[in-house]
Amino acid sequence: DSGVTQTPKHLITATGQRVTLRCSPRSGDLSVYWYQQSLDQGLQFLIQYYNGEERAKGNILERFSAQQFPDLHSELNLSSLELGDSALYFCASSEETGSSYEQYFGPGTRLTVT
Amino acid sequence: AQSVSQHNHHVILSEAASLELGCNYSYGGTVNLFWYVQYPGQHLQLLLKYFSGDPLVKGIKGFEAEFIKSKFSFNLRKPSVQWSDTAEYFCAVTRLNAGNMLTFGGGTRLMVKP
Repeated sequence: DSGVTQTPKHLITATGQRVTLRCSPRSGDLSVYWYQQSLDQGLQFLIQYYNGEERAKGNILERFSAQQFPDLHSELNLSSLELGDSALYFCASSEETGSSYEQYFGPGTRLTVT
Repeated sequence: AQSVSQHNHHVILSEAASLELGCNYSYGGTVNLFWYVQYPGQHLQLLLKYFSGDPLVKGIKGFEAEFIKSKFSFNLRKPSVQWSDTAEYFCAVTRLNAGNMLTFGGGTRLMVKP
């Protein structure tokens, strides 16, 4: 158990819908990262937040957005869903934001778009 | 663009065989290097990491990796695999002073036959 929690574990929804994935970082960690794991794209970095502010963006679609709340939990919002958005979405957290800080991964949310 | 390549997509070994998984990265600057493991149905776990110093890094569960700067490589090794090592292995990189987002390789699925 990494200490990072994600809900829900599984999500099945239809194309065109909107979903919200939730992540609670390890106690004391200020930085949260979102990654997408799909069969065709592999594991890709989406976005990073640090202490409530966006810190870095990766290959995140405009239909996707995220935020980090004052209690440091984070939510990833996916809208106008397409079949290709079906993937495993991981959240990770680290104590700080420097490249030497280890990231701890949550169990992931498996999203299936039908 | 920075990339990480894992040339072995699938590896099948018998128990007690030796393992070496290749990883190469394309970035020329200073990097931090990681190997993560994902057991079936579980989250990513850190096996080992290299930031600086001795290029031979020892991790958990008997794994080690060697950083060869001239070859841009960070190969993972284990002298004798066990059935419980069946998992997917990911090499990943972060760049110094460029945030903490991980760039992952495509992963190597290892199956160890009992």
